[in-house]
Amino acid sequence: DAGITQSPRHKVTETGTPVTLRCHQTENHRYMYWYRQDPGHGLRLIHYSYGVKDTDKGEVSDGYSVSRSKTEDFLLTLESATSSQTSVYFCAISEEGGEKLFFGSGTQLSVL
Amino acid sequence: SQKIEQNSEALNIQEGKTATLTCNYTNYSPAYLQWYRQDPGRGPVFLLLIRENEKEKRKERLKVTFDTTLKQSLFHITASQPADSATYLCALDLGTYKYIFGTGTRLKVLA
Repeated sequence: DAGITQSPRHKVTETGTPVTLRCHQTENHRYMYWYRQDPGHGLRLIHYSYGVKDTDKGEVSDGYSVSRSKTEDFLLTLESATSSQTSVYFCAISEEGGEKLFFGSGTQLSVL
Repeated sequence: SQKIEQNSEALNIQEGKTATLTCNYTNYSPAYLQWYRQDPGRGPVFLLLIRENEKEKRKERLKVTFDTTLKQSLFHITASQPADSATYLCALDLGTYKYIFGTGTRLKVLA
């Protein structure tokens, strides 16, 4: 988990409220990712970024938006949280040509 | 679209035996496959990468194979130990550094 910080580590929120998760890296890696992990589904890619202000959708992007205004920060926003978005969210980073991901410790999000 | 599958959700083996985990993909052969280990409450940690032109890659007690004809990678842990108990994930790059993962196999090594 070195060089990657996810905040908050745990969050409980109510249906319909907006939620923002933050991923901060100190590695200066170009690529940043948001995944969610659920039993039976494994890790699924939500969005990823290939540079400042450059983002693209993953497998399960509906209901999520992202922003990357600085190399070190990648924000994931749930515009209006739903119970189906209860999950563990992982941020990951990769350097160009790195061919592997480094993951953060995860954020446990519960939407009631 | 490309999919990646790990057919065994869980695998129990006796200490000292070799654990073999399977990863299958559905369409084109990726340039490489990755294997990760995940412990409860933690993020995945990269273990090994194998390229499509490599038949086998080893690292200590770990061995990975890649068969592009079968569209399959096998992950072996020899002389398994209780400390090897974890969930193991395979992943591939869809291109442009967009990675997808299998659902993982939960390995338990029994003492």
